[in-house]
Amino acid sequence: VQLQESGPGLLKPSETLSLTCTVSDDSMTNYYWSWIRQPPGKGLEWIGYIYYTGSTNYNPSLNSRVTIFIDTSKNQFFLNVTSVTAADAALYYCARHTSSGFDTWGQGTLVAVSS
Amino acid sequence: SSELTQDPAVSVALGQTVKITCQGVTLRSYSASWYQQKPGQAPTLVIYGHNNRPSGIPDRFSGSNSGNTASLTISGAQAEDEADYYCCSRDKAGNHGYVFGSGTKVTVL
Repeated sequence: VQLQESGPGLLKPSETLSLTCTVSDDSMTNYYWSWIRQPPGKGLEWIGYIYYTGSTNYNPSLNSRVTIFIDTSKNQFFLNVTSVTAADAALYYCARHTSSGFDTWGQGTLVAVSS
Repeated sequence: SSELTQDPAVSVALGQTVKITCQGVTLRSYSASWYQQKPGQAPTLVIYGHNNRPSGIPDRFSGSNSGNTASLTISGAQAEDEADYYCCSRDKAGNHGYVFGSGTKVTVL
């Protein structure tokens, strides 16, 4: 399985961040799919996950601004983060996870926020 | 949300053993997984379920857990093991979310 993130690299404050993760070479069925981000020079932050059925769970610190949805027919899942600020600038990863952990990651896509 | 605490940095001589720890209340209830991240690369899973290695991970990597502390041990550290290491576990009980540790930079001397 391979994962590839895509989306705009630059946003203005207050805009909505929208990212896509495309899953190749495997089905999305029976797996959880997460978004994780990493500000430059800092650690990892779990944003949230979606199960292939569509059920979701979000990091409480971002809950009110985050939506994750899935389209299994296209082998894609998506992240929306509303009202972005400079604090949302980061490398955004999508990852598959199982009971074993986050076993497959995309290469990441860098998002900058600047007016 | 809950926190997982790691030492910011450790160093180890080539061929020696290093232990990285991760402390958090939720580790009493949930196992930790460990991720290696080299500069410019995505993280890679190296240990899950306390002490299980994914295919392709050398057996010099091992994990353990005691009380509220999870540990990753590299026995016979190699130059290629120099990286950042992050622990990860469930967030507070009942939330079903995840939290990452603050990360440990391992330098191989």
